[in-house]
Amino acid sequence: ETGVTQSPTHLIKTRGQQVTLRCSSQSGHNTVSWYQQALGQGPQFIFQYYREEENGRGNFPPRFSGLQFPNYSSELNVNALELDDSALYLCASSPPGGGRETQYFGPGTRLLVL
Amino acid sequence: SQQGEEDPQALSIQEGENATMNCSYKTSINNLQWYRQNSGRGLVHLILIRSNEREKHSGRLRVTLDTSKKSSSLLITASRAADTASYFCATGLIQGAQKLVFGQGTRLTINP
Repeated sequence: ETGVTQSPTHLIKTRGQQVTLRCSSQSGHNTVSWYQQALGQGPQFIFQYYREEENGRGNFPPRFSGLQFPNYSSELNVNALELDDSALYLCASSPPGGGRETQYFGPGTRLLVL
Repeated sequence: SQQGEEDPQALSIQEGENATMNCSYKTSINNLQWYRQNSGRGLVHLILIRSNEREKHSGRLRVTLDTSKKSSSLLITASRAADTASYFCATGLIQGAQKLVFGQGTRLTINP
């Protein structure tokens, strides 16, 4: 069984650019969540997708957007990058039904904005 | 914003000793979960305890939950060098989305 995968592993962008991060959910999981983890901090919830619809959103501006595809993979897009967007971006997937309380995380994408 | 606070922020013990980490939170929850993170990479789920449970065990891990005090503790018994990592508590509240709200973590170092 393949776990959650994310690409790329590392990325360097400059301020004002746009970035797309990708996530493949674990087999059988239909819910994907995205988190931002700044250095030395705990992860912060960005948003969650369920059946291709945004299912909940944290305190992040609209320039953070996402997509979920029919195969349950997902993308996180960030427009107009700012220096403070430098962080580890984590994707997590959850199975349907009663097991959805637990989220299974990928290895993350480390984004550096210069 | 972070929901909870973990205590201590850093803990260093000898291999074989027990490690205890505490977590406090502020709002109502459906469940509380503990995760481990090695070297700033992905988080590994350790254990979930529901709001109507008081204690749970998994191997060398023991988690307690006191909803009246809005606090939880994670005990790792007979620690090993491989337990060196950051440990995070995360509160789960299902309101449509199952959103996890993490604390800032405890950095645990096990000395051989």
